[in-house]
Amino acid sequence: EVQLVESGGGLVQPGGSLRLSCAASEFTVSSNYMSWVRQAPGKGLEWVSIIYSGGDTYYADSVKGRFTISRDNSKNTLYLQMNSLRVEDTAVYYCARVEWSWNYCHYWGQGTLVTVSS
Amino acid sequence: DIQMTQSPSSLSASVGDRVSITCRASQSISSYLNWYQQKPGKAPKLLIYATSSLQSGVPSRFSGSGAGTDFTLTISSLQPEDFATYYCQQSYDTHTWTFGQGTKVEVK
Repeated sequence: EVQLVESGGGLVQPGGSLRLSCAASEFTVSSNYMSWVRQAPGKGLEWVSIIYSGGDTYYADSVKGRFTISRDNSKNTLYLQMNSLRVEDTAVYYCARVEWSWNYCHYWGQGTLVTVSS
Repeated sequence: DIQMTQSPSSLSASVGDRVSITCRASQSISSYLNWYQQKPGKAPKLLIYATSSLQSGVPSRFSGSGAGTDFTLTISSLQPEDFATYYCQQSYDTHTWTFGQGTKVEVK
């Protein structure tokens, strides 16, 4: 069964950094499109970033230049390095496997909460 | 960037009602429109992709339609487990996705 398990969330001060991990089971991360989507408390879904199987990466304007999506093939894990964190980055962060044909998020992790506060 | 506008933002309905949610794109997105259902404290769940393709395991009371800029998610007969928030998502712009703001379906 395909599984995605996020970790790495927590409390961080504004301006700080955090790295989220998303461990995948029963499929190969590097052969798939993978994405991060976040949800601020009580708010809607916001797309954050995507990495294509070929390695191309794209970001929402709100995180461009501060966040970096990457993967470790040996660990079959997706990452989101978050720097210069802001209060408005507070959210539950979900990783998702993307079906390349129509670019929809087929499988989702359970999410990890990031709280940016002083 | 492509903007997605969902309406209504919330609705009240009863079990057995027919419910429709619309999603409008700021420009044509062909059929690159997906729908998700989310329940409190849970990850979103894919319902429909490519405008009208029902994800495996999703009940047939859910259907999607539309093309270009206007899309609709319809629940033909609302069931108790369908009370949730629904989001549309455009994936036409492969470099920047956007979600609608969500529609909360509540008990009347």
